[in-house]
Amino acid sequence: DIQMTQSPSSLSASVGDRVTITCRASQRISTYVNWYQQKTGKAPRLLIYDASSLQSGVPSRFSGSGSGTDFSLTINNLQPEDFATYYCQQSYNTPRTFGQGTKLDI
Amino acid sequence: QVPLQDSGPGLVKPSETLSLNCSISGGSISGYYWHWIRQPPGKGLDWIGHIYYSGNTKYHPSLNSRITISIDTSQRQVSLRLTSVTAADTAVYYCARGYSGGRPEAFDIWGQGTLVTVSS
Repeated sequence: DIQMTQSPSSLSASVGDRVTITCRASQRISTYVNWYQQKTGKAPRLLIYDASSLQSGVPSRFSGSGSGTDFSLTINNLQPEDFATYYCQQSYNTPRTFGQGTKLDI
Repeated sequence: QVPLQDSGPGLVKPSETLSLNCSISGGSISGYYWHWIRQPPGKGLDWIGHIYYSGNTKYHPSLNSRITISIDTSQRQVSLRLTSVTAADTAVYYCARGYSGGRPEAFDIWGQGTLVTVSS
């Protein structure tokens, strides 16, 4: 299985800040990485697919980058609604695997 | 949009069978993978398997002997069956659509999730 290791596991920030979450894959996976946002009690929401493509309807303050084994999600100008848990996920092969999550709070 | 509606019993006894349905309202079923993903309380997301609209399946190796995913395209429904459940199977279960469209697959639409508790 491909292991996806996220860091940090938790992060405190303020409205207006810029934050970056990283994800490392245990093998090279090209750009087969997606990022999701999950709020408490809700289903995850797709933010970024193919490492850097913004899903329709997602604000442009979210961006993704990376290829191979190292990936990152950046949120510029944090808004109150961005405080949530974020997950990376690989779609290079099965079983599909997720990172352990990064909880972003105020 | 293609809303997905997860449904099924919220409580299952140990050693019994967990059965969940995912109703797909609107949009096409063809051409997509339909996934089940679960999340134990307070923990992260775990992929447990998928089915292609044609019926081909792939399961997580750790669940291979206990899991069956099926699809009924006429009823627009994907089903999950997990046998011999234990407390470790307690989780919120989500169905999700896998969208490729010539790019790496991503889970672009999710059901609302169903909490299944395994307890006597």
